[in-house]
Amino acid sequence: GEDVEQSLFLSVREGDSSVINCTYTDSSSTYLYWYKQEPGAGLQLLTYIFSNMDMKQDQRLTVLLNKKDKHLSLRIADTQTGDSAIYFCAESPPSNDYKLSFGAGTTVTVRA
Amino acid sequence: DSGVTQTPKHLITATGQRVTLRCSPRSGDLSVYWYQQSLDQGLQFLIQYYNGEERAKGNILERFSAQQFPDLHSELNLSSLELGDSALYFCASSRGNSYNEQFFGPGTRLTVL
Repeated sequence: GEDVEQSLFLSVREGDSSVINCTYTDSSSTYLYWYKQEPGAGLQLLTYIFSNMDMKQDQRLTVLLNKKDKHLSLRIADTQTGDSAIYFCAESPPSNDYKLSFGAGTTVTVRA
Repeated sequence: DSGVTQTPKHLITATGQRVTLRCSPRSGDLSVYWYQQSLDQGLQFLIQYYNGEERAKGNILERFSAQQFPDLHSELNLSSLELGDSALYFCASSRGNSYNEQFFGPGTRLTVL
């Protein structure tokens, strides 16, 4: 995932908002995704945004997309202990194969 | 539960050996993707199959191969294993049309001793 960059760690207090940032390099990417990986588990698709959108909200999750800066963020409102996990940003450049390029993942730790 | 199953869950083997990882996609999904997750390389796309045919190749070594069978399940074959092949191997599936949502299986953890 050398084309997608994320900060590696985030510590947040329970009840606060978490903001995870990601930058990507392929401006032609059609879809951008956020996946969550809990310890010992596979990847769970949290949300995605189409490249012609600036924002998408889904319950406690808000995704912001700044195409000019190639910047994607995920905001988790009212962060809970169950939100502790690794969060991966991924891009899907337009092609026939839909493969995903992932960032290194941001480990979010929620403290009481 | 994503609906994607992978077997086995864990695999421990020795260097030089060959193993086969298996993946069953969600019902109705035609595309299968294989990814490798390791500490030093992160999550890397290996290969994709769509309806039985290879569609795209990523950072897959020549020692690795895959196939997708008529019933749409897929196998990833890893041969001449090296210590550095120790990783989590994920399978994902999608409908295979313009909607790109990929659903991931729980992964197979391979340990090469």
